[in-house]
Amino acid sequence: GESVGLHLPTLSVQEGDNSIINCAYSNSASDYFIWYKQESGKGPQFIIDIRSNMDKRQGQRVTVLLNKTVKHLSLQIAATQPGDSAVYFCAPNRSQGGSEKLVFGKGTKLTVNP
Amino acid sequence: ETGVTQTPRHLVMGMTNKKSLKCEQHLGHNAMYWYKQSAKKPLELMFVYSLEERVENNSVPSRFSPECPNSSHLFLHLHTLQPEDSALYLCASSQDTHTGQPQHFGDGTRLSIL
Repeated sequence: GESVGLHLPTLSVQEGDNSIINCAYSNSASDYFIWYKQESGKGPQFIIDIRSNMDKRQGQRVTVLLNKTVKHLSLQIAATQPGDSAVYFCAPNRSQGGSEKLVFGKGTKLTVNP
Repeated sequence: ETGVTQTPRHLVMGMTNKKSLKCEQHLGHNAMYWYKQSAKKPLELMFVYSLEERVENNSVPSRFSPECPNSSHLFLHLHTLQPEDSALYLCASSQDTHTGQPQHFGDGTRLSIL
C-alpha cells in the first residue's frame, strides 16, 4: 500500500538554528506535494507546496527540496523561532478516479528551545 | 484567522445521541472534505464533495452521514457513535478536486464519545 513516512517523529532544535524535516513517499506517480504545519489545538496550516517539475522552492524562511529519484522531500526552516514549534506533515498527492487526494504521514513534532 | 470555520469546537456526546458538525468556507472553493484525526495516526479522509456532489466515501460507517447543501457549507451528522469515534474531525476545502490544489483546513471539532 501507499505510505508516507518521516525519518524522525520528533525534532528538537535551539532557537535561531536551522531545522530540516524529512519525508519519504512511496508513490512514484505523485506530482504535487504540500507541507502543512499543525499547532496544538488548531487545524493543519498550509506552508508551501512544490510540483514535480521543480526540485526546489523557497518561501519566507522555508525551503522545500524534492528528490523524485529517491522519492524524498525535505522542509528547511531558517532561523527557527519558538512560534515554529508544531507538528509538520508532508502530503503528496494521489490521483484516483479523476479526483485528487492528499496522503498524510504521521508528522514530525518540532520543538524549538529558547 | 482561517477561511474555513468549524462549529462546535468541542463536543461531548453519549453513544445514543444525535448531533451535527458544521463547516463553512469563505474562500469561494468548490470542493470540501471531512477528515478524521486520531492520536498518533495519519489524517484519514472520510468524504469528498465537489460542487455539492459526493465524489468519495472512504468506507466510512453509516453512523456518519455527510451533507453538502451548497458549495460553502458541509455538515457531518452523527448518530449512535462508538467510543473509538472520539477524535478531531477536520473540514477542508480546495478550489476543486483537480491536481495541484492545496486544501485549506479549519481548526476542527474535538469529539468525545462517552
